[in-house]
Amino acid sequence: DTAVSQTPKYLVTQMGNDKSIKCEQNLGHDTMYWYKQDSKKFLKIMFSYNNKELIINETVPNRFSPKSPDKAHLNLHINSLELGDSAVYFCASSQDIAGFRNGELFFGEGSRLTVL
Amino acid sequence: GENVEQHPSTLSVQEGDSAVIKCTYSDSASNYFPWYKQELGKRPQLIIDIRSNVGEKKDQRIAVTLNKTAKHFSLHITETQPEDSAVYFCAAKDRGSTLGRLYFGRGTQLTVWP
Repeated sequence: DTAVSQTPKYLVTQMGNDKSIKCEQNLGHDTMYWYKQDSKKFLKIMFSYNNKELIINETVPNRFSPKSPDKAHLNLHINSLELGDSAVYFCASSQDIAGFRNGELFFGEGSRLTVL
Repeated sequence: GENVEQHPSTLSVQEGDSAVIKCTYSDSASNYFPWYKQELGKRPQLIIDIRSNVGEKKDQRIAVTLNKTAKHFSLHITETQPEDSAVYFCAAKDRGSTLGRLYFGRGTQLTVWP
């Protein structure tokens, strides 16, 4: 059973299109995240949700819109895709927001987005 | 906010040698320091972590040391093997923060040559 699963794994699209990536965790965690990993491997946090509530919103263009229908799901929708959006997007979850119990982040397999 | 610096960015060692990766952090409130390993094409995974009330922690061939005064922590891998080749990320977190945000270093590409 996959703990954090995200789809699709690969996404190739043209500039200007809109695309979505879905994420689900079956760990019962309270907090979910989206990270962007660029070609230099830097892991940059984009958003964090705790029990469906947005708690971290980094300086991300408003073309990126996360949505959490329930605490087990966090989706990412991207409008008007640009070349610079090409990256691997990782969904992750943790047991609780402050890590009092366990600070471990569980990552999904990643979604490689290529914008042509 | 927290700033985590990680060095070196690349590291090549011969199989059987030791590898050391160092990180510094800026926020004295940070009290949780995990290390993640990311193999090529895979997800980052936690390999070891240390909390600020501990100076050293060991798990088989890997160990992490923490110097709170100097605000730096290091990952030590002994008897390296080719399967240790990966990108390693250090991170720091203030576990008491209401945001609980994890700040990552920029990663170290470790290559172990057979």
